[in-house]
Amino acid sequence: GENVEQHPSTLSVQEGDSAVIKCTYSDSASNYFPWYKQELGKRPQLIIDIRSNVGEKKDQRIAVTLNKTAKHFSLHITETQPEDSAVYFCAASLGNNDMRFGAGTRLTVKP
Amino acid sequence: DVKVTQSSRYLVKRTGEKVFLECVQDMDHENMFWYRQDPGLGLRLIYFSYDVKMKEKGDIPEGYSVSREKKERFSLILESASTNQTSMYLCASLSWKNTEAFFGQGTRLTVV
Repeated sequence: GENVEQHPSTLSVQEGDSAVIKCTYSDSASNYFPWYKQELGKRPQLIIDIRSNVGEKKDQRIAVTLNKTAKHFSLHITETQPEDSAVYFCAASLGNNDMRFGAGTRLTVKP
Repeated sequence: DVKVTQSSRYLVKRTGEKVFLECVQDMDHENMFWYRQDPGLGLRLIYFSYDVKMKEKGDIPEGYSVSREKKERFSLILESASTNQTSMYLCASLSWKNTEAFFGQGTRLTVV
């Protein structure tokens, strides 16, 4: 099956700075890459996703980039705010009903 | 609103007990998943199901089984609970029409 690696495991930034989380995947057939945010005590929720036919996608302060050749994708959060503090998970899907997650990144935004 | 509901938020079971974790979704999703979440290990896939009575092993199926008799319900079974199965268990459902996975609220299982 697919193997997803995520780095860093923890990330601490000052409010207003940018945060970048990176993931790599193993199966070149993967074609869908979502990012989930999990706040303390809550369930993971989708924040942004990208498909393999797109290189970059933006939604306000959040952007995701995909490099199919290198098999890696990244989440970029600009102008971070304390409410961005959470655990973020990347995932990769082969399109055959499977979805595998990275180990997660605990982001702390210091005011 | 999509709703994925897990039967319990907290469970405490004894070693050797048979444990059932239930997950129900009301969105007619084809695919359902069971993950366990442990600190530093993220969400690890135990089993998934893409149709009624169909199941596929994930990355860590040992010690677990699943049942999907109805489309809306996906059960995770610990045949004989062990202390290393103490964890947070998350169920998710997914429709390939929109590809967003929706999660249940989680079940924190403690095996003593």
